[in-house]
Formats: sequence, structure tokens, C-alpha cells
Amino acid sequence: GQQVMQIPQYQHVQEGEDFTTYCNSSTTLSNIQWYKQRPGGHPVFLIQLVKSGEVKKQKRLTFQFGEAKKNSSLHITATQTTDVGTYFCCLGSTLGRLYFGRGTQLTVWP
Amino acid sequence: DAEITQSPRHKITETGRQVTLACHQTWNHNNMFWYRQDLGHGLRLIHYSYGVQDTNKGEVSDGYSVSRSNTEDLPLTLESAASSQTSVYFCASSESYGGYEQYFGPGTRLTVT
Repeated sequence: GQQVMQIPQYQHVQEGEDFTTYCNSSTTLSNIQWYKQRPGGHPVFLIQLVKSGEVKKQKRLTFQFGEAKKNSSLHITATQTTDVGTYFCCLGSTLGRLYFGRGTQLTVWP
Repeated sequence: DAEITQSPRHKITETGRQVTLACHQTWNHNNMFWYRQDLGHGLRLIHYSYGVQDTNKGEVSDGYSVSRSNTEDLPLTLESAASSQTSVYFCASSESYGGYEQYFGPGTRLTVT
């Protein structure tokens, strides 16, 4: 089945440092979605990337889709304590099923 | 406002009992999904449905069943609860077209003793 590998599994940063999580697949992806889950909460949709080389920004968050559509990254500039949580990438099928990576758990020290 | 709800939010049950977790959405979405979340495993798909009377097995479907009799509800039944089914369960829904972004419920924490 479809698999997407996400690294790192855990990341601890000091507030103000940057953070990046990476998502990789052995096959070409039609699209990729990113979700954030706060501690004790539920996953919340952040963004979807569809086009090769696509870059989208949401305030301090930058999302990239690789040129070959086999990888993606989420970069957070100058992390804040509100960024704490687990970030999931997932690839979507043509009918709506999503295949989730295991997520990167981000801890931000004040 | 449209929403997706799960009940109960917390449940403790004994091994061998049948348990049903409810999921109700008012988005009018055709697609609905059940996931379980355990430490170190991320979100794993149990069952999903693309519409009324449609159900499909996910990657960890053994010991679980679902039925879809209307658009709004997708109850998840544990036929005979086992300790390995202690987990947090999330229900989600999405449109049947477009980007398929999923909207998640608040989750149900199930403990099987």
C-alpha cells in the first residue's frame, strides 16, 4: 500500500529557533496534505499541496512540494510555544482516503 | 455551524464486551473514516465509508465493524473488546470531491481492562 515516511520523529527546539519536518515517498504523489495535532487534541488540516515545486506560506509556516512530487517539507520560522504539537503529512488517494505518516512531535522550550 | 461529534468521550470496558463508539457529522459529507491513535504508530485507519451502505476495511480492521445507514453517522463496533484495543479513536469526514481535507472529531479514549 501507499507509504509515506516522515522524519524526524521527535524534535526539541528552543523558542525562536527554526524547525523543519520532512516527508518522503518512494512513489510519485498526486497530492500531500499537512495536519497539526495539539497535545490532547485532534488533527486539524493545515494545507494541501498539489503542484510540482509548489511553495505555500501561512505566516511563519512554509510548505514545499518537491519537484519530483516524492517529498515535502514543513518549515516553521522562529518557533513559538503555540507551535507545540505533532505535525503529520499524508498523501491522498483519488477517492479521499488519506495515508498518514507517523508524524513529527515538536516540543518548544520557552 | 457544521461539526463532527463523538460519543462517549471516555469509556472503560471489560475484555470480551461489545462496545459501540458513535460518530455524527453535520457537514453532509459522503466520506467518513475511523482511526485509532497509539504512541509510536500515528494514525491508523480502521474502516471507512464513501457513502450510505458503503464500507471498506482499513489497515487495522480486525475486531472492528462499521455500518453506514445514513449520511450523518458511522458507528464503530468492537465485537469483543480486547486489551490491545485500548486506544484513542478518531472519527473524520470529508467531501467526496475536491481536496478531500478531513475534519476530525474530538476523539474517544477507550480503555479495555
